[in-house]
Amino acid sequence: GENVEQHPSTLSVQEGDSAVIKCTYSDSASNYFPWYKQELGKRPQLIIDIRSNVGEKKDQRIAVTLNKTAKHFSLHITETQPEDSAVYFCARPSGASKLTFGTGTRLQVTL
Amino acid sequence: DTEVTQTPKHLVMGMTNKKSLKCEQHMGHRAMYWYKQKAKKPPELMFVYSYEKLSINESVPSRFSPECPNSSLLNLHLHALQPEDSALYLCASSQVTPEGDTEAFFGQGTRLTVV
Repeated sequence: GENVEQHPSTLSVQEGDSAVIKCTYSDSASNYFPWYKQELGKRPQLIIDIRSNVGEKKDQRIAVTLNKTAKHFSLHITETQPEDSAVYFCARPSGASKLTFGTGTRLQVTL
Repeated sequence: DTEVTQTPKHLVMGMTNKKSLKCEQHMGHRAMYWYKQKAKKPPELMFVYSYEKLSINESVPSRFSPECPNSSLLNLHLHALQPEDSALYLCASSQVTPEGDTEAFFGQGTRLTVV
């Protein structure tokens, strides 16, 4: 099965700074690399995903990079804002229906 | 409609009670999931239904019994639970693709407390 390691477990940044979260995976079978955001007391929601035919994808202040050789993918948030405070999970599919989540990173954006 | 709706939002039940959690989606998704999430932990997969058939059971104790009456509904029947089963139970749905490379839409969850 898939093993997903996520670091760091907590991250505190000042508003306006950048944040980077990294996930390392073991199984190269899947070509899909999603990131989910879960605000306190709310549901996880997909914020960005990437497929292995590209190395980077951006969506405004959020980007995901993929290093297939080293088997890791990273979430980059630039110009962080207080509303970015949440828990972020990387995830990896195992087959058609099973999604394994990383351990999560609690991001705190301070004023 | 891109929502997955779960009821109830909160549930307190005794160890001898029987209760059910309900989940509904109208996005035409043919995969539906139950996840369990403990505080400060990631969601853990419990069950997967694909085309209304149970396709994955992650060795979940039999006191949890899933049911998929149709392509829009998913239930989780609870019986004789233990206090350690207290958690947030999340339902999710997605399209079915061979590689699972599709967004999972989550409901807001049912916060279950077993007393």
